[in-house]
Amino acid sequence: DSGVTQTPKHLITATGQRVTLRCSPRSGDLSVYWYQQSLDQGLQFLIQYYNGEERAKGNILERFSAQQFPDLHSELNLSSLELGDSALYFCASSAGATSSYEQYFGPGTRLTVT
Amino acid sequence: AQKVTQAQTEISVVEKEDVTLDCVYETRDTTYYLFWYKQPPSGELVFLIRRNSFDEQNEISGRYSWNFQKSTSSFNFTITASQVVDSAVYFCALRRMVYGGSQGNLIFGKGTKLSVKP
Repeated sequence: DSGVTQTPKHLITATGQRVTLRCSPRSGDLSVYWYQQSLDQGLQFLIQYYNGEERAKGNILERFSAQQFPDLHSELNLSSLELGDSALYFCASSAGATSSYEQYFGPGTRLTVT
Repeated sequence: AQKVTQAQTEISVVEKEDVTLDCVYETRDTTYYLFWYKQPPSGELVFLIRRNSFDEQNEISGRYSWNFQKSTSSFNFTITASQVVDSAVYFCALRRMVYGGSQGNLIFGKGTKLSVKP
């Protein structure tokens, strides 16, 4: 158990809908990363937050957004969902913002868009 | 640009065979980190190892060993005497070694699916 929690574990929704994925980092970790794992693209980095502020952006679509709250949990919002958004979404946390800090992955949220 | 290539999409072995998973990376950075992660059928990502680019010593941990060769930009992973429980997808990843800034994200290869048959 990495100490990172993600809810829900599974999510099934229809095209055009909007969903919110939630991540609670390990106790004391200030940085949260979101990754998407799809059959087409593999595992890719979406976005990073550190202590409430956005620090880095990867291949995140404009339909997707994220935020990190004062209690350090983070939410990834996916809107106008398409079939291709079906994927496993991972959250990872680390103590700091830079690459010297280890990232610990949550169990993932499996999103199915029908 | 940073890139990780795992040319082997799937490997199938019989229990007790040794198996090597290949990983080749591209980066213009002189310092970086390399990782291996395991993703069992249950789906979670399990951290296996992290290496710094300035430390080319090979590492052994039980049945696992890693061969890092900077000259060929490779970071290969060998499982000795494989077991059925080793069946999983294995990912090699690269991370820039950046201080004082961001870019701490991981860049993953496409993964190698290892099936170990009894």
